[in-house]
Amino acid sequence: GQQVMQIPQYQHVQEGEDFTTYCNSSTTLSNIQWYKQRPGGHPVFLIQLVKSGEVKKQKRLTFQFGEAKKNSSLHITATQTTDVGTYFCAGPRNNNDMRFGAGTRLTVKP
Amino acid sequence: EPEVTQTPSHQVTQMGQEVILRCVPISNHLYFYWYRQILGQKVEFLVSFYNNEISEKSEIFDDQFSVERPDGSNFTLKIRSTKLEDSAMYFCAKKAGGMSEQYFGPGTRLTVT
Repeated sequence: GQQVMQIPQYQHVQEGEDFTTYCNSSTTLSNIQWYKQRPGGHPVFLIQLVKSGEVKKQKRLTFQFGEAKKNSSLHITATQTTDVGTYFCAGPRNNNDMRFGAGTRLTVKP
Repeated sequence: EPEVTQTPSHQVTQMGQEVILRCVPISNHLYFYWYRQILGQKVEFLVSFYNNEISEKSEIFDDQFSVERPDGSNFTLKIRSTKLEDSAMYFCAKKAGGMSEQYFGPGTRLTVT
């Protein structure tokens, strides 16, 4: 199955700074999903992107799907301590299953 | 958010023992999954289950593992002859059809000593 590579592995920011995590695939993705896992918690679905060049926003979070549908990004504007956690992208493993990236662990210093 | 529950929340077992992790209750969804997450690492796909049978399994899911849906609602993962490296969080997840989102349970922390 296709792999999704995610960078960076870790990101430490000062509260108020922006944060971006990137997800890349060597093959075209039919869709991509993003999940957030708080420390000690379980992955929680954030959003799904399907269309080439799609951009979706959730408050301070902006999600993008590349024109070639091989990459995606999650950008957080003006991070807050509540943004702490690991952000995972997930690409299709087959028609029904997803394969998760390694995740980007975000820590925010108040 | 649709609820997915898992029991126990924490399981401690000795190496070589068998454990059964439970995902309850499951309703109104078609696909069920087990994932493993070793501490601080990525979420790894183990197996997907659809229509009361395994749909797909990863290279991790060898003969040591099995899944069942014994009574139409509970969804179990059995790990035989546990090894130290089986220590991890095990998440159950469910979803409706197609490429819809997955809903994860709170996980079971398995510690093999």
